Amino acid sequence: LAKTTQPISMDSYEGQEVNITCSHNNIATNDYITWYQQFPSQGPRFIIQGYKTKVTNEVASLFIPADRKSSTLSLPRVSLSDTAVYYCLVVGESGYSTLTFGKGTMLLVSP
Amino acid sequence: GAVVSQHPSWVICKSGTSVKIECRSLDFQATTMFWYRQFPKQSLMLMATSNEGSKATYEQGVEKDKFLINHASLTLSTLTVTSAHPEDSSFYICSAGAGGTEAFFGQGTRLTVV
Repeated sequence: LAKTTQPISMDSYEGQEVNITCSHNNIATNDYITWYQQFPSQGPRFIIQGYKTKVTNEVASLFIPADRKSSTLSLPRVSLSDTAVYYCLVVGESGYSTLTFGKGTMLLVSP
Repeated sequence: GAVVSQHPSWVICKSGTSVKIECRSLDFQATTMFWYRQFPKQSLMLMATSNEGSKATYEQGVEKDKFLINHASLTLSTLTVTSAHPEDSSFYICSAGAGGTEAFFGQGTRLTVV
């Protein structure tokens, strides 16, 4: 399983764009990059998943460079309710299988 | 997306008693479910993989006789913490997949052993 590295914490203000970068140098050819969000005392919630280039949904965008050794989760115009821990995971093609969670990034959004 | 439901959301029990936590896939069938444990300010740690109709697979360091897992149907897996002690107090989370590469997580169960 590819190991991921991301910042421990980030601070932002309401209305700003937040970019969280994750490195996964050992990603395999068939692996996908997946991001989850977790609020205190709740289970993780799927945000976005991608394989290469750019993926966008109603919540976030995911940018993946050509070498796929890193990825960036972009949250546009964050609000206080976006304060949470964000996990970057690498998932095999055969399915989510066993997910290995790193420490995640604690995003604190202030007024 | 698919829904995974855990019950109860929180439970308090006395030392030495057993507690059962249920994990249900509400709108899909899951041949495999996963159980995680999360201590305060730490990440999720996989405890075991629950397989429908067969024995669960436990991660290294997880006592299978203490954390009993039963996956009797395609929509239900249960985790029983036997002879609970205060150090078992934690946040327990289950997850399941609906066939794709996305995992769906339950809302978690806060266990407090007093």
